[in-house]
Amino acid sequence: GAVVSQHPSWVICKSGTSVKIECRSLDFQATTMFWYRQFPKQSLMLMATSNEGSKATYEQGVEKDKFLINHASLTLSTLTVTSAHPEDSSFYICSAENMNTEAFFGQGTRLTVV
Amino acid sequence: GQNIDQPTEMTATEGAIVQINCTYQTSGFNGLFWYQQHAGEAPTFLSYNVLDGLEEKGRFSSFLSRSKGYSYLLLKELQMKDSASYLCAVLVQAGTALIFGKGTTLSVSS
Repeated sequence: GAVVSQHPSWVICKSGTSVKIECRSLDFQATTMFWYRQFPKQSLMLMATSNEGSKATYEQGVEKDKFLINHASLTLSTLTVTSAHPEDSSFYICSAENMNTEAFFGQGTRLTVV
Repeated sequence: GQNIDQPTEMTATEGAIVQINCTYQTSGFNGLFWYQQHAGEAPTFLSYNVLDGLEEKGRFSSFLSRSKGYSYLLLKELQMKDSASYLCAVLVQAGTALIFGKGTTLSVSS
C-alpha cells in the first residue's frame, strides 16, 4: 500500500528556534498534501493544504508566516515552525491522497518546545 | 459549516461487539473514512464508504446511509489491543482535506 514518511518522529527545541518537518510520499505522487495538528486528547485539526508548485492554503487562525510550507516536488512537502514557542508543542501529522482518494498519514512528529 | 459528531468515550469487554456511531452534516460528500489511532501514534486507515451499505473487513465493518448522514463502525470479538481512539472523517470534495470528528475513545477491559 501507499506509504507516507514523515521525519523527524519527535523533536525537542528551544523557544525561539525553528523546526523543519518533512513529509514524503514514497510510492505515489501527491500534488496535494495536508498538514494537521493534534493537541492531547483532541482530534486532528487541518492547518493548511500544501500544493505542489504553488502557495499553501492556510485554515483560518493559522499564521502563514509562522508555519511555512514548501511543496517543491510531487513527493515532498515541508512544514517549518518558525520561532517556536511552548504553545506550539503538539503532534503534527501530514497526509497525502493517492489517485483513489485514499488518504495516507505520515507517522507524525511530536514537537516539544522548551 | 461542517459538522461531524461521534460519542466521546465508550467502554466494552473483551470478546464483545461494539458499535461506534457517526453523524455528519457537510456541504458535500465524497466518502466517509474510519481511522484507528493509538495514543502518540498517527491514525491508521480502517475503512472507506462512499455508497450506502455495509463494508466488512475482518472483525471490523462500516455502514453508511447517505440520506441520513449516518455511519457506524462495528467492531466484533473485541481484543484489548482495540483500545484506541476511533476517528470518523468525511471527504467533502475530492482533492481536499478530510474533516475529522473529535474521535471516540474506546476502552476494552478484560
